[in-house]
Amino acid sequence: GAGVSQSPSNKVTEKGKDVELRCDPISGHTALYWYRQSLGQGLEFLIYFQGNSAPDKSGLPSDRFSAERTGGSVSTLTIQRTQQEDSAVYLCASSSVWDRGGSGAEDTQYFGPGTRLTVL
Amino acid sequence: LAKTTQPISMDSYEGQEVNITCSHNNIATNDYITWYQQFPSQGPRFIIQGYKTKVTNEVASLFIPADRKSSTLSLPRVSLSDTAVYYCLVVNTGGFKTIFGAGTRLFVKA
Repeated sequence: GAGVSQSPSNKVTEKGKDVELRCDPISGHTALYWYRQSLGQGLEFLIYFQGNSAPDKSGLPSDRFSAERTGGSVSTLTIQRTQQEDSAVYLCASSSVWDRGGSGAEDTQYFGPGTRLTVL
Repeated sequence: LAKTTQPISMDSYEGQEVNITCSHNNIATNDYITWYQQFPSQGPRFIIQGYKTKVTNEVASLFIPADRKSSTLSLPRVSLSDTAVYYCLVVNTGGFKTIFGAGTRLFVKA
């Protein structure tokens, strides 16, 4: 079946411009994550959506970053007034969280190919 | 969230067995241990998950001792294509949010 898709795959922008990155999760997945990964570094958590609950925005690095998830499906990550330090690969993941009924929960994340953002 | 600690990097040779150990001292009773693999220029992909004892699939084995404060990912007979970053995670059953750490960078040499 279709996996997680992200667009655009590459984005080059000038410092100070706004950018929007899109994520299409796997159909039916209730959870959606955004991460950022700089070259040679690990994943940096940005934001987490789960169903209709308020998103966990604890990883957003500044108020220039925001994200929304419309209709519980597609998500858009917006970066306003981009800075050169925003250059990174932005990864989206979705998962179908399910409870094993008292013996734990499972949350396998499926990742998209990422959007490589370059801020000049 | 249970914090995980794993080595930053490891080197190995083709054909060897590689064991990567992860510490998660604060793991909660209902938490699961999950490992992901990430190749360059790709997003991470799930490779194995377990709760206790041993789990094996076509890619790897996962060993979890009785106290569950650590786990060991075992890759049998690695090849050059196993060069990747391996992440150990503990699933948070409270809010179901999972966070990736820095991972272990495995480099397999010929």
